[in-house]
Amino acid sequence: NAGVMQNPRHLVRRRGQEARLRCSPMKGHSHVYWYRQLPEEGLKFMVYLQKENIIDESGMPKERFSAEFPKEGPSILRIQQVVRGDSAAYFCASSPNADSYNEQFFGPGTRLTVL
Amino acid sequence: AQSVTQLDSHVSVSEGTPVLLRCNYSSSYSPSLFWYVQHPNKGLQLLLKYTSAATLVKGINGFEAEFKKSETSFHLTKPSAHMSDAAEYFCVVTFSGSARQLTFGSGTQLTVLP
Repeated sequence: NAGVMQNPRHLVRRRGQEARLRCSPMKGHSHVYWYRQLPEEGLKFMVYLQKENIIDESGMPKERFSAEFPKEGPSILRIQQVVRGDSAAYFCASSPNADSYNEQFFGPGTRLTVL
Repeated sequence: AQSVTQLDSHVSVSEGTPVLLRCNYSSSYSPSLFWYVQHPNKGLQLLLKYTSAATLVKGINGFEAEFKKSETSFHLTKPSAHMSDAAEYFCVVTFSGSARQLTFGSGTQLTVLP
């Protein structure tokens, strides 16, 4: 049973370009979460999605950031017009349901560098 | 609002000596508590979790943690450190009413000296 998969593992963008980060949850998991880790900091929650629905986006910046989890295919975190401050590691996690007692399984992360 | 505080940003121990990583949380509700470990340039791996059953929780690789409600603490311990334990450790909390977002502490970097 493959774990959570994220690609690319490393992404380099110039200021103003778009970044697309992909996350495939574990088999059988329909709940996906995105977190951002800035250098020397813990992870910060960004958004929680189920298939075709955004459940909680309270941690998402109001502009330039969007997320989706379509019926078919991976979840996508999109950052438009990237700036240097977007440089961070972005982690995706998945769980089989919304029970708070269940752990979230994390992917290896995508490390975004904005030049 | 929920929050979690890791009291030490860096801990250094000698191989074979005990490990103590401290974590305190604030909550108005019954929390679920987790410890995750992150090795360099890797994802996060669950060490153990507390979900209102036994207050002493045993995890992988010899780690354990004790939930103390009166002290709002969930400290992570290991009797004898191994070189492979060197990593970043995160104390994490979530609540049943939180729509499942995890709240992370700022992390503790554990160094194991030979």
